[in-house]
Parts: sequence; structure tokens; C-alpha cells
Amino acid sequence: SQQGEEDPQALSIQEGENATMNCSYKTSINNLQWYRQNSGRGLVHLILIRSNEREKHSGRLRVTLDTSKKSSSLLITASRAADTASYFCATDGVSWGKLQFGAGTQVVVTP
Amino acid sequence: GAVVSQHPSRVICKSGTSVKIECRSLDFQATTMFWYRQFPKQSLMLMATSNEGSKATYEQGVEKDKFLINHASLTLSTLTVTSAHPEDSSFYICSAPSRQGAGNYGYTFGSGTRLTVV
Repeated sequence: SQQGEEDPQALSIQEGENATMNCSYKTSINNLQWYRQNSGRGLVHLILIRSNEREKHSGRLRVTLDTSKKSSSLLITASRAADTASYFCATDGVSWGKLQFGAGTQVVVTP
Repeated sequence: GAVVSQHPSRVICKSGTSVKIECRSLDFQATTMFWYRQFPKQSLMLMATSNEGSKATYEQGVEKDKFLINHASLTLSTLTVTSAHPEDSSFYICSAPSRQGAGNYGYTFGSGTRLTVV
């Protein structure tokens, strides 16, 4: 079963703007991960945040985690057309390796 | 970094035939491989977990006789869709864990296989 919800389902922005998407989950986790998927392709691991971390940065990516609210957010700053993709959060919980994916946010960045 | 090579990327087969999908870890040993299925515009659903040297573990609702998984070596896992039907048409993706620090794993995904059964 799917762990979480993501919102928005779709996001359309212009190059240079920031893109923010949110993810909520239901059960206890060891960590939460964000992945990017270009259309018809596999997933690319973007960033992992542990359950005892609150914020993490990687390049233009900023991830927050609020375990009390069971939610996470992904911020992409200064977006580029190449950032156009679907973004998924996934939680790694009690059962190792059984990633539970959110529904995904489809991001379109127009030049 | 870690790479998982998945083949074929696309396959069209006739109803009733079987299709084999391969995932190879290129520069690391993958003792475990996870197999996912993704319908259009939907999220990934875990189908099964393969472990080198032992039987695969299937998620609830996944027919093990239909989706045969073999983990022949530390670098190769295969998924065979047997007697394929149009409803098996989907995007299949494998992934292998890679360590991201103590007790935490990220996962390297294959590029996926688009299966169309006609």
C-alpha cells in the first residue's frame, strides 16, 4: 500500500522560480528519501534525510523533515528546464528495503 | 557511483508468451534486489524482493508463479513475466540498496522496462 500523500500533484513554474512540494506519511520511519523520475525512465536518488535530522541541503535542493507531523518538504531553488520531472518521496521504515513511495509531484519548468 | 543496468528498456510481446527482464549491478555486489511495478502516472509499488541464494519474497497480492524471480549471482537478478496478458503491461523497475551511512540506505534504480502485451 502507498505510504504517503504528496502535494501538489502537479506544479508548473518558470525557470528561476523555486519549486516546493510536500510529502506526508503514516508510520514510523528510519529515513525519508526523495527521488526524481524523468518520463519513462528509472528513478534517481536525490537526497536522504534521517529521522533524527530536521533539514538537509544538497546543491539547489533543501529537504525538511518534521517527524511530529509526519511530513517532509522538498524545495528546488532557481529551477531550470532540466528539473522537469516527477518527484517522489519514499520512506524507509521498520521493514528494511521496503520503500513506501508517495504518489509523486509532476513538475514542469518552462523556459 | 553505483549503477544498475536493466534490460530490455522496452519490449512488446504477444499475449501468452513470457518475458524476461534482467538487472545487473555493474560495479558493486547486490545481494538484494527489489522489483517494482509502476502504472502510468502512478507511484511505484513493490512487487517482490530477491535475495542471492534464497527464494524471493513476494508482496501480498503478487502471484509468484506469474512473476518468477531469480537471483542467480551477486550481480544479476531476473524477473520473468510468464504467460503475459495485456493487464501485465506496465513499467517494471528494479533497485538495489547502497549504503548511505550507518543504518541508512539509498537505492540505485535501473532505468526501467516498459512492457506492452498485445
